[in-house]
Amino acid sequence: AQSVSQHNHHVILSEAASLELGCNYSYGGTVNLFWYVQYPGQHLQLLLKYFSGDPLVKGIKGFEAEFIKSKFSFNLRKPSVQWSDTAEYFCAVNAIGGNQFYFGTGTSLTVIP
Amino acid sequence: NAGVTQTPKFQVLKTGQSMTLQCAQDMNHNSMYWYRQDPGMGLRLIYYSASEGTTDKGEVPNGYNVSRLNKREFSLRLESAAPSQTSVYFCASSELDSRRETQYFGPGTRLLVL
Repeated sequence: AQSVSQHNHHVILSEAASLELGCNYSYGGTVNLFWYVQYPGQHLQLLLKYFSGDPLVKGIKGFEAEFIKSKFSFNLRKPSVQWSDTAEYFCAVNAIGGNQFYFGTGTSLTVIP
Repeated sequence: NAGVTQTPKFQVLKTGQSMTLQCAQDMNHNSMYWYRQDPGMGLRLIYYSASEGTTDKGEVPNGYNVSRLNKREFSLRLESAAPSQTSVYFCASSELDSRRETQYFGPGTRLLVL
């Protein structure tokens, strides 16, 4: 079975600081990779996704993620966070052609103005 | 285009009561899912439906039943609610493009079982 690990459970940053959230997955085959964001009291929204091609993918709101196949990682980055980025971030994996998505336990990000 | 909608938004039940959570999508997606979200545990898949007329168990199906009523609707039923089922429930649907799927989520249902 696939699994997803997010090592940072809680992250607190000041505005303008750089962000990197770790995500590692365990699956030997080809996968689709996703980052979702959940703002307080809201539902999950797709931030970005990787299917194939350039391993550096750009998403909404200045976020980007890099797929490193050899490390089974898909870390999320943002050069300069804003207070409005305060949210919970979930990494997810889906095997090519598979129906199930596997989510990490989430990272709670708090940005201090 | 409303995307994925869920009803109700909030519900309080007593132990042993039953209820059905409704989910509908207007994106013509084949696959639909029910998750529960609990603090520190992320999202866990309860059931999913790869297509109309099919359903499969996910990671935590015990205590739940589902019905894929048609392509648009996928309901989740708690026959006899237990306090352990207090959670936030999310429905999702996914579009399939060349075997690549992306999930889209509904707003969630907050359920409290006393």
